[in-house]
Amino acid sequence: QVQLQESGPGLVKPSQTLSLTCTVSGGSISSGSYYWSWIRQPAGKGLEWIGRIYTSGSTNYNPSLKSRVTISVDTSKNQFSLKLSSVTAADTAVYYCASTHYGDFDYWGQGTLVTVSS
Amino acid sequence: DIQMTQSPSSLSASVGDRVTITCRASQSISSYLNWYQQKPGKAPKLLIYAASSLQSGVPSRFSGSGSGTDFTLTISSLQPEDFATYYCQQSYSTLLFTFGPGTKVDIK
Repeated sequence: QVQLQESGPGLVKPSQTLSLTCTVSGGSISSGSYYWSWIRQPAGKGLEWIGRIYTSGSTNYNPSLKSRVTISVDTSKNQFSLKLSSVTAADTAVYYCASTHYGDFDYWGQGTLVTVSS
Repeated sequence: DIQMTQSPSSLSASVGDRVTITCRASQSISSYLNWYQQKPGKAPKLLIYAASSLQSGVPSRFSGSGSGTDFTLTISSLQPEDFATYYCQQSYSTLLFTFGPGTKVDIK
C-alpha cells in the first residue's frame, strides 16, 4: 500500500517561498504510470489542484499558479517537492500530496497546514 | 477551464436514508468524473472513479452514474460514518484538474 507524507515549514513569511516535500513509501515513485500531484485546501473551502509531475520530470501546473509554482522529483529519495514563490495570506492552506493514476487521486498524504504570516 | 458545480451544497439526512448528490460539468467530460469523501481534519478519500467504478475497499452502498455533463453519487442507505463532505472532480482536462465546491452531508 502506497503511503505519502508531507513535510516542511508550517509558517512562511509573506513574499517568501513555500517549500514542501512529499515522501512516498510502500512503493517506488518511479514504478507504473503514476503522476504525483499537489493539491491545497484553504480552511473551510474546497480543493484546488496545484500541479503534477511524472518521474521523467514532465510537469503540468494550474495556470492560475503557474508563474509561481515549481514541482520537482528526486527518484533516489522517493520524494517529490513543491515550491511556491511570492506567497501571500491567500496561500494559507492545508497542502496535500497525492498520487494520480488515470486522473483520479487514489492515495493522499495526511496534509500539512502552511500559514503565511509575518 | 472546466467548471464543476454540485447540488445541493448541503443536506441533512437520517441514518438509513437514500442520499443523492448531483455534479454538473460546464462542458462534456465523457466519464472522466471522480467522487471523494472528506471528513473533518482528514484527507479526501477516493470513492468512485470513471463516473461509476467503485474504488477498492469502498462499501457497495456507494454508487456513481452519469456521463457527459451530469453525474450522480448515490448512497443507498446512509450510515453514521458517511456524514462528511463529498467532492466531485473532473479528470477530462489533464492540464487542469478541477473539483466541485463540495456537498456537506450532516445528521438530521
